[in-house]
Amino acid sequence: ENDLTQSPGTLSLSPGERATLSCRASQTVSNNYLAWYQQKPGQAPRLLIYGASSRATGIPDRFSGSGSGTDFTVTISRLEPEDFAVYFCHQYGNSPNTFGQGTRLEIK
Amino acid sequence: DVQLVQSGAEVKKPGESLRLSCQTSGYSFPSYWITWVRQVPGKGLEWIGRIDPSDPYTNYSPSFEGHVTISADKSSSTVYLEWSSLKTSDTAVYYCARHLTWLQADPLHIWGQGTLVTVSS
Repeated sequence: ENDLTQSPGTLSLSPGERATLSCRASQTVSNNYLAWYQQKPGQAPRLLIYGASSRATGIPDRFSGSGSGTDFTVTISRLEPEDFAVYFCHQYGNSPNTFGQGTRLEIK
Repeated sequence: DVQLVQSGAEVKKPGESLRLSCQTSGYSFPSYWITWVRQVPGKGLEWIGRIDPSDPYTNYSPSFEGHVTISADKSSSTVYLEWSSLKTSDTAVYYCARHLTWLQADPLHIWGQGTLVTVSS
């Protein structure tokens, strides 16, 4: 099983700042099949990034994804109030798929 | 619009059976895999397994295989997640999610609203 470790566990920032969230896999992620999701309280996750760097439909361009192999990052260039949420990475290149434990992005 | 609408919250006792449903609409049901995901309240996401509604071929996480069954009904465009004997550790929110494209290895694009299952004696 390809374990995913996200860091940091919690990130405290202010609106307008830049956020960088990391996801490290225990094995190479096949085809860089790595996705990022945003989840707000009481809601289902929302797909942000797939294939490590492709934005899903309707996702603002302040969200960007990068990385390959075992190390991946999602960056939010300038935080908006609605961006404060929990973010999960997901590798879908190998079965079973796995998720990271999440990074909570909170308002400082 | 593509929609996945899940069945309502359930309260069950250990050892009871349960079937959750995920009714889809707005797209060609056989063309897209559906995955089930578990989330214990306040915790992370766990991948349970997935189904190709056209076959229906399934595969499961080893952590869930043998304890749950995923099935599909093409006549009603609905996918199911079923237990024959619940445990208290099954208490969680369960999500169904449609893949982005027709591929098996694919991100989860459209999600249901989630179903809270509470198992308690």
